[in-house]
Amino acid sequence: SQTIHQWPATLVQPVGSPLSLECTVEGTSNPNLYWYRQAAGRGLQLLFYSVGIGQISSEVPQNLSASRPQDRQFILSSKKLLLSDSGFYLCAWSVLGGNQPQHFGDGTRLSIL
Amino acid sequence: AQSVTQPDIHITVSEGASLELRCNYSYGATPYLFWYVQSPGQGLQLLLKYFSGDTLVQGIKGFEAEFKRSQSSFNLRKPSVHWSDAAEYFCAVGASGNTPLVFGKGTRLSVIA
Repeated sequence: SQTIHQWPATLVQPVGSPLSLECTVEGTSNPNLYWYRQAAGRGLQLLFYSVGIGQISSEVPQNLSASRPQDRQFILSSKKLLLSDSGFYLCAWSVLGGNQPQHFGDGTRLSIL
Repeated sequence: AQSVTQPDIHITVSEGASLELRCNYSYGATPYLFWYVQSPGQGLQLLLKYFSGDTLVQGIKGFEAEFKRSQSSFNLRKPSVHWSDAAEYFCAVGASGNTPLVFGKGTRLSVIA
């Protein structure tokens, strides 16, 4: 069966520090991969999605970037964190096709001090 | 492009009472519809999905949803709510092609004794 792993579960970072969140999927090949952010009390904001290695679509211009160095690995990064980057970050995967359900990881709670 | 509206931000029901969460979508073709549940501090879990066929779909945890094309709705129902159902619920719509799901802003469900 397929599983998705996200780490770390919790992260506290100072303003201006770099960020790297990692997500890996097991048990499937060539998945679509997604990064979402949830601010407190708000819905899901799609940040990036990828349909293949090196293919990244950015949905919102911001302080973050994403990379997909391997088929089942998706990394969310920032060179310099802002206070507004605080939130709950979720990684998800799906099989190819817009009509397919997305399956989510357990999320990373990021607090910026 | 598709869109989803969840008109209720927060709903409170008594334990044992019935539940209906509303979801309205906008999409020109046959939609692919999903309901997810998110417990605090967790990722999203797929409850059920509608692709085609029978308009009443059964999901996990005793939930069901009914697709009504004439009303552009996909409401989630449960006949008897348990305290453990307290969570955030998200409706989502997918389209053909390899594009991400579009999520509603969510409905927070509180359950009282």
